[in-house]
Amino acid sequence: GENVEQHPSTLSVQEGDSAVIKCTYSDSASNYFPWYKQELGKRPQLIIDIRSNVGEKKDQRIAVTLNKTAKHFSLHITETQPEDSAVYFCAASTSGAGSYQLTFGKGTKLSVIP
Amino acid sequence: DVKVTQSSRYLVKRTGEKVFLECVQDMDHENMFWYRQDPGLGLRLIYFSYDVKMKEKGDIPEGYSVSREKKERFSLILESASTNQTSMYLCASSLNRGRNGYTFGSGTRLTVV
Repeated sequence: GENVEQHPSTLSVQEGDSAVIKCTYSDSASNYFPWYKQELGKRPQLIIDIRSNVGEKKDQRIAVTLNKTAKHFSLHITETQPEDSAVYFCAASTSGAGSYQLTFGKGTKLSVIP
Repeated sequence: DVKVTQSSRYLVKRTGEKVFLECVQDMDHENMFWYRQDPGLGLRLIYFSYDVKMKEKGDIPEGYSVSREKKERFSLILESASTNQTSMYLCASSLNRGRNGYTFGSGTRLTVV
């Protein structure tokens, strides 16, 4: 099955700096890659996603890049703010049994230091 | 505007008890999922369902079963709770058409003593 590796597991940055989280996946058939943000005590929420026919997608301070050949994708957060502090999960879609499922990375705890 | 509702936020059960975790979604989604979340292990798929009365095993189904009698409701059952099933359980749902992200519930923190 699909395997998603996520790095780093923890990341501390100064407010205003950029943060980058990287993920690799194993199944070349995967074609959908969402990112989730989970604040302490809250549910994971989708913040951005990318499909395999696109190399990059941006939404204000957040961007995601995808390299299908190398099978890796990354989340970039610019001008970080304290409210960006959270655990971030990447995921890759896998097909099977009439539907699809998401396989998640183990998460990155991002701390933005004021 | 909560769209995926898990019946309990916190639950404490004894070893050997049969435990039911309920999840209801109001978005008419075909797919529903149960994950458990443990520190350092991320989210691991227990079971999923893509239609009423259909169920498929995920990566860690041992010790669990599920029920989906209605489209909006997906139940996770711990047949005989054990201490290693102490965890955060997250329910999610999604549309089957195309590839879309999940909508998660708020989670149930289960402690087995």
